[in-house]
Amino acid sequence: DIQMTQSPSSLSASVGDRVTITCRASQSINSYLNWYQQNPGKAPKLLIYTASSLQSGVPSRFSGSGSGTDFTLTISSLQPEDFATYYCQQSYTTPTFGQGTKVEIK
Amino acid sequence: EVQLLESGGGLVQPGGSLRLSCAASGFTFSSYAMTWVRQAPGKGLEWVSGISGSGDRIFYADSVKGRFTISRDNSKNTLYLQMNSLRAEDTAVYYCPKVLTPDTLLTVLSDWGQGTLVTVSS
Repeated sequence: DIQMTQSPSSLSASVGDRVTITCRASQSINSYLNWYQQNPGKAPKLLIYTASSLQSGVPSRFSGSGSGTDFTLTISSLQPEDFATYYCQQSYTTPTFGQGTKVEIK
Repeated sequence: EVQLLESGGGLVQPGGSLRLSCAASGFTFSSYAMTWVRQAPGKGLEWVSGISGSGDRIFYADSVKGRFTISRDNSKNTLYLQMNSLRAEDTAVYYCPKVLTPDTLLTVLSDWGQGTLVTVSS
């Protein structure tokens, strides 16, 4: 299985901050990388697919980049509703998820 | 509007069985691959199984292979997960997300239900 490693595991930030989360695959996955947001007690929500495509209805402050093994999710200006846990997931082979990054209020 | 409603969860003893259902609406069910993803309490997401729109291609995570069976009834717009020989480590919320694009197995999980909790304990 392809292992997905996110960093950091958690971070503290303030409203308005620019936040970057990274995800590394154990082997090349081309651009088959997706990002999800999960709020406590809720189902995950698709944000970004195939590394950089913004899912319909997702605010443009979210963006994704990368290819091969290294990927990033960027939130350009953190909003109160963005405090959540974020997961990357590869869809190159049998799907696997990163361990998650919890974004907390500073 | 896409709606996915999981049901069938509950408390079961180790070694027992349970069948989960996922009722789908708001899209052409038979055109989309479907998956099961689980989340143990306080833990991350784990893909469990996937099935093509027609049901002819099926995939399982190693952790459930030989114990779980995924199936679908396109006439009823319903996805199933038969879980046998359950273990404590199968305790989780089970979701049934659909893939983004019709007629593909690419596992971009665009829509999720609210999940159903399975607890395996004596």
